[in-house]
Amino acid sequence: EPEVTQTPSHQVTQMGQEVILRCVPISNHLYFYWYRQILGQKVEFLVSFYNNEISEKSEIFDDQFSVERPDGSNFTLKIRSTKLEDSAMYFCASSELFFSGAEAFFGQGTRLTVV
Amino acid sequence: TQLLEQSPQFLSIQEGENLTVYCNSSSVFSSLQWYRQEPGEGPVLLVTVVTGGEVKKLKRLTFQFGDARKDSSLHITAAQPGDTGLYLCAGAGSSNTGKLIFGQGTTLQVKP
Repeated sequence: EPEVTQTPSHQVTQMGQEVILRCVPISNHLYFYWYRQILGQKVEFLVSFYNNEISEKSEIFDDQFSVERPDGSNFTLKIRSTKLEDSAMYFCASSELFFSGAEAFFGQGTRLTVV
Repeated sequence: TQLLEQSPQFLSIQEGENLTVYCNSSSVFSSLQWYRQEPGEGPVLLVTVVTGGEVKKLKRLTFQFGDARKDSSLHITAAQPGDTGLYLCAGAGSSNTGKLIFGQGTTLQVKP
């Protein structure tokens, strides 16, 4: 069964360092997303991406964050200068369509720990 | 701002009991998805409901979308220990970009 894969599963980084989280969406999907989940809190939307452009971003997704689709299979989230409060599970998701009823499939997540 | 409120937040029941989890909002959603999440893993899609009043069944799980598309429920019949987990509802945002708005989740514990 096709699945979204994320690497690494766990990343520990020092405050102020740059991190890149990687995702391989399901191959025929066109819409890609990043979400995060701080321990014990809701899953929060960060950004949606289609046709090599951001289609929507949340208030959390400030100038420290960027996304890229560097090739035909990968989708990355970069955090330029990590802060302690960036520690969270980061989930990549993809969907074939975006309209009502379109189903989003999530990866297993990357646990980011900023120390 | 679209918000989804789930209730209860925590539910502990005995094997064989029935239960219902609610997902409510004051906003209309074009669709609503239910996910199950295990500790340390990503949400796994269970079902999507699109039409007001729609009912979908997945074995012992019954999902309903409210007529006004502002609320949804998940009913589990004869719960089993394997049903233990975190259940999340998520609504499609009004911006039509595929963004999902999640509820805070319901943690279900089914004791044998």
